[in-house]
Amino acid sequence: DVKVTQSSRYLVKRTGEKVFLECVQDMDHENMFWYRQDPGLGLRLIYFSYDVKMKEKGDIPEGYSVSREKKERFSLILESASTNQTSMYLCASSPHTKTYNEQFFGPGTRLTVL
Amino acid sequence: AQSVSQHNHHVILSEAASLELGCNYSYGGTVNLFWYVQYPGQHLQLLLKYFSGDPLVKGIKGFEAEFIKSKFSFNLRKPSVQWSDTAEYFCALKGYSTLTFGKGTMLLVSP
Repeated sequence: DVKVTQSSRYLVKRTGEKVFLECVQDMDHENMFWYRQDPGLGLRLIYFSYDVKMKEKGDIPEGYSVSREKKERFSLILESASTNQTSMYLCASSPHTKTYNEQFFGPGTRLTVL
Repeated sequence: AQSVSQHNHHVILSEAASLELGCNYSYGGTVNLFWYVQYPGQHLQLLLKYFSGDPLVKGIKGFEAEFIKSKFSFNLRKPSVQWSDTAEYFCALKGYSTLTFGKGTMLLVSP
């Protein structure tokens, strides 16, 4: 079974703090993704990575950055957290194939910024 | 650009009722289509997928979906829902590169 784990299920931070969300997958997948999930808005892609040290902006990258130093690990960074970044953050991974890319999701981190 | 539209944000059904959740997409090229489900407190997981071939695809837990290219649709169906189907359902499209998700439909099945 593919396993995607996220470092925290719940996180509470203060405005202005630097926040790190970690994601690890154990299936040697090339692709990794960070989404945020908000009620009524579905999942929106923040950043993704097709390879180590490689990153691409998704639909809503503002206020976020990412790091991929190792194939199995993909970190999402909030440089200066703001209250509008309170959300559920989902990490996903998928194999790099030329056919369909089914994504496998982690359990999510619910971040509250006070 | 690619986009996905789910018709209903909330659906309430009684057990044994039939289910159809609408999904329409916008993309001019070859598509891969997915339905994901998120049960309360659980991971998002894949219900079924369409890649090519038979437009009627069957997934887990008795769900199926039909890809109708002329209508740009990929509706999810189940003949008889159970209380345990209460969840949020997301339609997703892979067109050019990444997945684009719809906004989700929350299904509540009353016993």
